[in-house]
Amino acid sequence: QSVLTQPPSASGTPGQRVTISCSGSSSNIGSNYVYWYQQLPGTAPKLLIYRNNQRPSGVPDRFSGSKSGTSASLAISGLRSEDEADYYCAAWDDSLSGFWVFGGGTKLTVL
Amino acid sequence: QVQLVQSGAEVKKPGASVKVSCKASGYTFTSYGISWVRQAPGQGLEWMGWISAYNGNTNYAQKLQGRVTMTTDTSTSTAYMELRSLRSDDTAVYYCATGGWYPAPFDYWGQGTLVTVSS
Repeated sequence: QSVLTQPPSASGTPGQRVTISCSGSSSNIGSNYVYWYQQLPGTAPKLLIYRNNQRPSGVPDRFSGSKSGTSASLAISGLRSEDEADYYCAAWDDSLSGFWVFGGGTKLTVL
Repeated sequence: QVQLVQSGAEVKKPGASVKVSCKASGYTFTSYGISWVRQAPGQGLEWMGWISAYNGNTNYAQKLQGRVTMTTDTSTSTAYMELRSLRSDDTAVYYCATGGWYPAPFDYWGQGTLVTVSS
């Protein structure tokens, strides 16, 4: 049972825009930044979005992140076949001494 | 370029311990912390903890307190994660990653180490 809630699956056709949601609580998303990671099949996760909406160098601007209250979203525009992967949201939780929490992941299928 | 290279796959019996290494290159090792994240087969990501490569300070996930120890060797730019009293549900791919002391993200990741716990 993940602390952050994501839909288990999402899909779209090439060129389409898709969004993946991530829901948390006041102790994590509500008070801290949201991060997104992309995991291609059989590989390690890769940082996609940090501090809600910042892209590391090399990440295409087709990927964008947003946050509102205790929820966040990842949007992918101009969908491409190579975007087929698992996507995870993450946030710092202020409970106890502080710890990272992840969503359960969303498997994106490009039809 | 930043690289994290992890040790190879391990098979352990329940109750045993495992120690996974993570050798860093391409940056000043003591400038960033190292986090450990694991992923059970077919499951999501789980944060295990963080260690400062500068002073050895640690922050462990509550559920692993008492079973996990993270250390670093600055002379070889290597981080280690030891997990004791292994159970079958510890079977997972274990990843090291740079960063993870909030708000620093997990920037760069190792290739992962599969640890299988089976009798």
